[in-house]
Amino acid sequence: QVQLQESGPGLVKPSETLSLTCTVSGGSISTYYWSWIRQPPGKGLEWIGYIYYSGSTNYNPSLKSRVTISLDTSKTQFSLKLSSVTAADTAVYYCARRVATAPKDYYFDYWGLGTLVTVSS
Amino acid sequence: AIQMTQSPSSLSASVGDRVTITCRASQAIRYDLGWYQQKPGKAPKLLIYAASSLQSGVPSRFSGSGSGTDFTLTISSLQPEDFATYYCLQDYDYPLTFGGGTKVEIK
Repeated sequence: QVQLQESGPGLVKPSETLSLTCTVSGGSISTYYWSWIRQPPGKGLEWIGYIYYSGSTNYNPSLKSRVTISLDTSKTQFSLKLSSVTAADTAVYYCARRVATAPKDYYFDYWGLGTLVTVSS
Repeated sequence: AIQMTQSPSSLSASVGDRVTITCRASQAIRYDLGWYQQKPGKAPKLLIYAASSLQSGVPSRFSGSGSGTDFTLTISSLQPEDFATYYCLQDYDYPLTFGGGTKVEIK
């Protein structure tokens, strides 16, 4: 059974960099798109971006200038870095596995439990 | 970015009711739409992908339909465990975008 687990600081100061890691167990990193999605308290979901197992990335333009997603295949982990954070970046951050197989199999099938990151001094 | 408009934003229903949630895309997205269920404090769970394909293990009372710009999620007979928030997600173009959510509450 595939499992994803987010880890990282729950509190980040304004203007600093938010760093989270997602550890994947029970399955291979290959052929999937590994994504980060966030949800501000009481609000909806926002896709942040993905990294493909080959290392290619795609980011939400709304965050692109501040986001970096990287992959460590040897550890079956992928990471999120979000720089220059403000209170608006306070959210539950989820990592998720995305299937993207043409012509029609596109979906997030496994998610982590989520981790709340609060931006505050 | 493609905008996804969900309606209603909330609804009250009773156990056994038939419930319909709609999602409209700001441009045609073929059938590249999924539906996710989220319960408080939990991660979203995939129900439907490709507009109408039922994810393995999801009860058959959930169904999806639509293509192009208009999509529907139907729960044929609402069960107690179905009270949750439902989100659509367009998977046609980047950035991937979610609808605003529909909260299904107990009447």
